[in-house]
Amino acid sequence: AQSVTQLDSQVPVFEEAPVELRCNYSSSVSVYLFWYVQYPNQGLQLLLKYLSGSTLVKGINGFEAEFNKSQTSFHLRKPSVHISDTAEYFCAVSEGSNDYKLSFGAGTTVTVRA
Amino acid sequence: DAGVIQSPRHEVTEMGQEVTLRCKPISGHNSLFWYRQTMMRGLELLIYFNNNVPIDDSGMPEDRFSAKMPNASFSTLKIQPSEPRDSAVYFCASSSNRLPHGYTFGSGTRLTVV
Repeated sequence: AQSVTQLDSQVPVFEEAPVELRCNYSSSVSVYLFWYVQYPNQGLQLLLKYLSGSTLVKGINGFEAEFNKSQTSFHLRKPSVHISDTAEYFCAVSEGSNDYKLSFGAGTTVTVRA
Repeated sequence: DAGVIQSPRHEVTEMGQEVTLRCKPISGHNSLFWYRQTMMRGLELLIYFNNNVPIDDSGMPEDRFSAKMPNASFSTLKIQPSEPRDSAVYFCASSSNRLPHGYTFGSGTRLTVV
């Protein structure tokens, strides 16, 4: 069974500064990895996903994430944030053999200040 | 593509009343998921269906909760009788079996039981 740990529950950041959201997972098999974003009063939207191939994945809105198998991590980064990036971010994992079931982390709230 | 459609967006009901939440998944998606989101517990998977069949309902809190998927384009989550602790945002999501695209979420139903 897999589990997902998001190491930071709250991340305050100034506008135009970089941000990194950390995610670690535990699984004994190959996995698929996802980051979702939830803006206030909305559902979750897919930011990016890692299925296979290049370990650096680029997503929407300038976000990217890097899969590190040896460290079982999938950290999310953006080099320069905007006020509009204020949201909650969820890391999720599915096991290759059970790819229609996702396990979500507890979420990281990013607050961007001017 | 209209995405995953949930109704109602908001529901306020009195304790003891029956509540029915509705979901229309994306056409062609084989899997459907019901999640509950609260501040205390984050995102919890309640139940998921594959090809209209319930596969895992271990997340359903108790017998007051039931879910059905009578056809590929419609699902309901029912709470009877409702209690104040059921207050939460309930999300429906759907996905395709054939590739691990991740989920597409609806906008959620905010349920308040008074």
